Amino acid sequence: NAGVTQTPKFRILKIGQSMTLQCTQDMNHNYMYWYRQDPGMGLKLIYYSVGAGITDKGEVPNGYNVSRSTTEDFPLRLELAAPSQTSVYFCASRKGRTGETQYFGPGTRLLVL
Amino acid sequence: AQKITQTQPGMFVQEKEAVTLDCTYDTSDQSYGLFWYKQPSSGEMIFLIYQGSYDEQNATEGRYSLNFQKARKSANLVISASQLGDSAMYFCAMREGVDSSYKLIFGSGTRLLVRP
Repeated sequence: NAGVTQTPKFRILKIGQSMTLQCTQDMNHNYMYWYRQDPGMGLKLIYYSVGAGITDKGEVPNGYNVSRSTTEDFPLRLELAAPSQTSVYFCASRKGRTGETQYFGPGTRLLVL
Repeated sequence: AQKITQTQPGMFVQEKEAVTLDCTYDTSDQSYGLFWYKQPSSGEMIFLIYQGSYDEQNATEGRYSLNFQKARKSANLVISASQLGDSAMYFCAMREGVDSSYKLIFGSGTRLLVRP
């Protein structure tokens, strides 16, 4: 199993550009999450999904959109990138068992200039 | 609102000694869970240990143990026999929501440096 994979690893965007961060998991997990981690801080939840076709906002959803058309994929869309979106983005997934951890991808580092 | 507090931005420990990383939490839920993650300089998030609010025993995983004091709302991570490879950021996180569809709330982290 590859686990949770994220692409790209690193990206530089200009202000106002858009991009999609890709996240794929091959563990047949129901739940998927997107977090952002600003320098020296903990992770904050952007969006999450409890299954294909079902998504919901987390703590910091403004400026982002998500979709979940399949169990495996959970892309995060940035529209009109702003410097405040400079961060490291982590995707995570889990099956849904009691006490189970979330399994994190390696992260995508995004710089908006 | 639920909240996780880690009051130690940075800590040093001598190799082979034990170290305690502090974590306090605030919640009005009766059912909750607490996680600890390690983030080395390479950036990935590594799960270390989990404690459920109804678990009677403190969780242990190898050199990691969780000192859970429910009345004080604290869930400190204890690392025994520190190794150089333990140098990393450590995050405490709390499960928010019902167990089947929970979200995680993270603290701001503690940077641990192990001295040889």
